[in-house]
Amino acid sequence: DAKTTQPPSMDCAEGRAANLPCNHSTISGNEYVYWYRQIHSQGPQYIIHGLKNNETNEMASLIITEDRKSSTLILPHATLRDTAVYYCIVRVGGYGGSQGNLIFGKGTKLSVKP
Amino acid sequence: GAGVSQTPSNKVTEKGKYVELRCDPISGHTALYWYRQSLGQGPEFLIYFQGTGAADDSGLPNDRFFAVRPEGSVSTLKIQRTERGDSAVYLCASSLVPDRNYEQYFGPGTRLTVT
Repeated sequence: DAKTTQPPSMDCAEGRAANLPCNHSTISGNEYVYWYRQIHSQGPQYIIHGLKNNETNEMASLIITEDRKSSTLILPHATLRDTAVYYCIVRVGGYGGSQGNLIFGKGTKLSVKP
Repeated sequence: GAGVSQTPSNKVTEKGKYVELRCDPISGHTALYWYRQSLGQGPEFLIYFQGTGAADDSGLPNDRFFAVRPEGSVSTLKIQRTERGDSAVYLCASSLVPDRNYEQYFGPGTRLTVT
C-alpha cells in the first residue's frame, strides 16, 4: 500500500471549515483513499473513502486531485467534538479482497478551538 | 446496536506474567482484527481472522503473542511472558466481511501496562 504524508497538527476555529491535506504521490490506480479519525481514548472511526471522484457523506467531504496524488478531507462546520487525530490511509480497494488490515501513519492532530 | 466491546478496559501486570485480552465483535461480522497502538503512534496491525481461522498473523511481533477465535465470534489475544515494551493500547476491530471496501468498526481498546 502507498505511503501518505500528513501535517502533524492543525488548528481550526469552531464553526469554520477544517481542511485536512494528505499527500499520496505514489498511489496506484487500484488504491483508494480512506480517512479515519480517533478521538482521545477511543478507537478509530471510519469517516469516508474514495477512488477518484469527490465524495460526500454526513460527516465530511473528500476532494481528490485529478492526478490522485493528494486529497483533502473537509469538515464543513467543525465543532469541538471534531478534535481528534485524523488518519489518511491509502489501500487497494475493490470487492473480494482477502486482506483488509489498515496501515496507519501518525495522522494529523486537529484541534478545534472555541 | 451494540458496537465492538473489549475487556478489560485497563490491565496492569508485572513483567513476565501472562495476560489475555478479550474482544466481542459486532454480531454477524466475519472479519476481526487486532491492532496495537503505542503512545503518539497510529495503530499497528497484529492479526486478522476470517471466521475461526487466522488469515494473516504477519503483524504479531514474536511468538509470545497468540490469538484465537474458536467459534468465529469472540476473540482472545494472549501474551506470554510480558515485557515492559508490550505496554500499549490493544485495539480490536470487526467488519462485515474481510473486504477492503467495508469499514472497520473499532472497540475502545484495552490499555495494557507492564510494570
